[in-house]
Amino acid sequence: DADVTQTPRNRITKTGKRIMLECSQTKGHDRMYWYRQDPGLGLRLIYYSFDVKDINKGEISDGYSVSRQAQAKFSLSLESAIPNQTALYFCATSDSLRPQHFGDGTRLSIL
Amino acid sequence: GENVEQHPSTLSVQEGDSAVIKCTYSDSASNYFPWYKQELGKRPQLIIDIRSNVGEKKDQRIAVTLNKTAKHFSLHITETQPEDSAVYFCAASAYGGATNKLIFGTGTLLAVQP
Repeated sequence: DADVTQTPRNRITKTGKRIMLECSQTKGHDRMYWYRQDPGLGLRLIYYSFDVKDINKGEISDGYSVSRQAQAKFSLSLESAIPNQTALYFCATSDSLRPQHFGDGTRLSIL
Repeated sequence: GENVEQHPSTLSVQEGDSAVIKCTYSDSASNYFPWYKQELGKRPQLIIDIRSNVGEKKDQRIAVTLNKTAKHFSLHITETQPEDSAVYFCAASAYGGATNKLIFGTGTLLAVQP
């Protein structure tokens, strides 16, 4: 089945390290999104991209960067990780007709 | 920008009872309102959505109502079952509806007691 795949699923790292979370999709969607989930705060949008040449900041982009390497790939980077970036990260995709479909998430812990 | 508030944060009901979750939004331009269900350790999954040209939508035991004037929308689950236990998120989107960025509420943890 066409799906949204996130790697890694779990990551533990140290403060100051550079981290990259990857998202790939086989759904053929042109739009991709990165969200962060924290207990009691819901899902907050970090960055989104409507096509390969389009990158937009979301609600909480500070401390994060993204790269849209291809229509099917959208990666999220933490240049210098800090403990308050510990969270569950979700990638999602959509197109002009269908609502957002989420990946399984990446649980990131920064010590 | 858009702000979405969701209440209650936790809800406990007996199996067979109804559950109602309410959300309000701030941006009058919002025109698409999805609801996602997230089971423990799983991804959020769309369960129902509504557009601003419709006041109510039903899908079996689930319904969503929208009041554009008051800028609020609600999820109604009837005849609740233990498998309905999950976190439910409302969201709102403006300027393009489903395919634009979503602003989510903070979630409601629904517990259905057998």
